[in-house]
Amino acid sequence: NAGVTQTPKFRVLKTGQSMTLLCAQDMNHEYMYWYRQDPGMGLRLIHYSVGEGTTAKGEVPDGYNVSRLKKQNFLLGLESAAPSQTSVYFCASRGAGGTTNTGELFFGEGSRLTVL
Amino acid sequence: AQSVAQPEDQVNVAEGNPLTVKCTYSVSGNPYLFWYVQYPNRGLQFLLKYITGDNLVKGSYGFEAEFNKSQTSFHLKKPSALVSDSALYFCAVRDGTGANNLFFGTGTRLTVIP
Repeated sequence: NAGVTQTPKFRVLKTGQSMTLLCAQDMNHEYMYWYRQDPGMGLRLIHYSVGEGTTAKGEVPDGYNVSRLKKQNFLLGLESAAPSQTSVYFCASRGAGGTTNTGELFFGEGSRLTVL
Repeated sequence: AQSVAQPEDQVNVAEGNPLTVKCTYSVSGNPYLFWYVQYPNRGLQFLLKYITGDNLVKGSYGFEAEFNKSQTSFHLKKPSALVSDSALYFCAVRDGTGANNLFFGTGTRLTVIP
């Protein structure tokens, strides 16, 4: 059982280049999330999705776009990368669970992005 | 708005000694609180959660956390630290919106000294 898989794990970009991070989960989870992790700032929510075909903005959405065309995949795009987007990106998912849902997230292992 | 604070960036403890990693929270309504652990070059892993009920919550790897409503705290504890407990620990609170997103603290790096 792979859980949450992120690709690529490492990427170096030049300012202005574009790229897409792919997150795939095999747990049939409804909810998916993209976070970024920066030293001293913890994890900050970029965008999230509550189901296939839906997306919503989190705390720090500027400069990013997302798509959830299939339930198992959640893509994070950078249209014009900036040095401020150098970070480690984590995807996470959780089930809907109804009234018993208690919010436990399952995380991927991260994608380290450097923008020069 | 909800928030969590982890007042210590770094905690050092000797192997075999008890450890505490502190967390305070601010949330409207009932708090749903979580602890996650991150080992080097890995994603976060769930440790334990408080939803309702007993104020002392037991979780994975011998960790427990004490919910204190009057002090708005949710400190992570372990009676006897292991070197393998050395990692980055995050406290998180669930927001009160329909999306039930988690908001994370800034993290505390725990180092257990042999």
